[in-house]
Amino acid sequence: GGIITQTPKFLIGQEGQKLTLKCQQNFNHDTMYWYRQDSGKGLRLIYYSITENDLQKGDLSEGYDASREKKSSFSLTVTSAQKNEMAVFLCASSPAGGDSGNTLYFGEGSRLIVV
Amino acid sequence: SQWGEENLQALSIQEGEDVTMNCSYKTYTTVVHWYRQDSGRGPALIILIRSNEREKRSGRLRATLDTSSQSSSLSITAAQCEDTAVYFCATDGTGGYKVVFGSGTRLLVSP
Repeated sequence: GGIITQTPKFLIGQEGQKLTLKCQQNFNHDTMYWYRQDSGKGLRLIYYSITENDLQKGDLSEGYDASREKKSSFSLTVTSAQKNEMAVFLCASSPAGGDSGNTLYFGEGSRLIVV
Repeated sequence: SQWGEENLQALSIQEGEDVTMNCSYKTYTTVVHWYRQDSGRGPALIILIRSNEREKRSGRLRATLDTSSQSSSLSITAAQCEDTAVYFCATDGTGGYKVVFGSGTRLLVSP
């Protein structure tokens, strides 16, 4: 088994501030993902990375940057935090491919609070 | 609106009842995954169904897939209080890496 670790669990920042969330996985999975989940809503894909140093934009990438410098880690930066961005950010990894498709393994989430 | 941008649907049932949740997806997919999310946790896979399957069972769970209408359903037989959670479907197109989630259903099972 493995685990996805997201840090910090709570991130409090001011409007306009650049804020970074980190994610580590020890599954040795190639593919990693960042999703945003607003209260009472579903998951929207921000960025994903097929392999180390690869970055692919999801449907909600504007206002965010991502970095995949190592296979085991994937970070997400909110470039200028806004109050309407308060949400839970979920990181996931996947072994990808095969006839089971991309089964995702999620972390517990990081909650962004903008004051 | 984008998938995932919509509010969660809410379903409330009594323990012992059967329940079905539906999912419509927009692009061809080789697999539909169903995830369960408990409060304060990340989603976890509970069942997946491939495009060449019409039905898949796992314990009290039953997933169906209709590729012609691009829809899938998840049924829970004899629901229990511990089935209370949010349920999502997810698709990954033609086996690609971009995984998108459906709008989700918040299920409450009361004793």
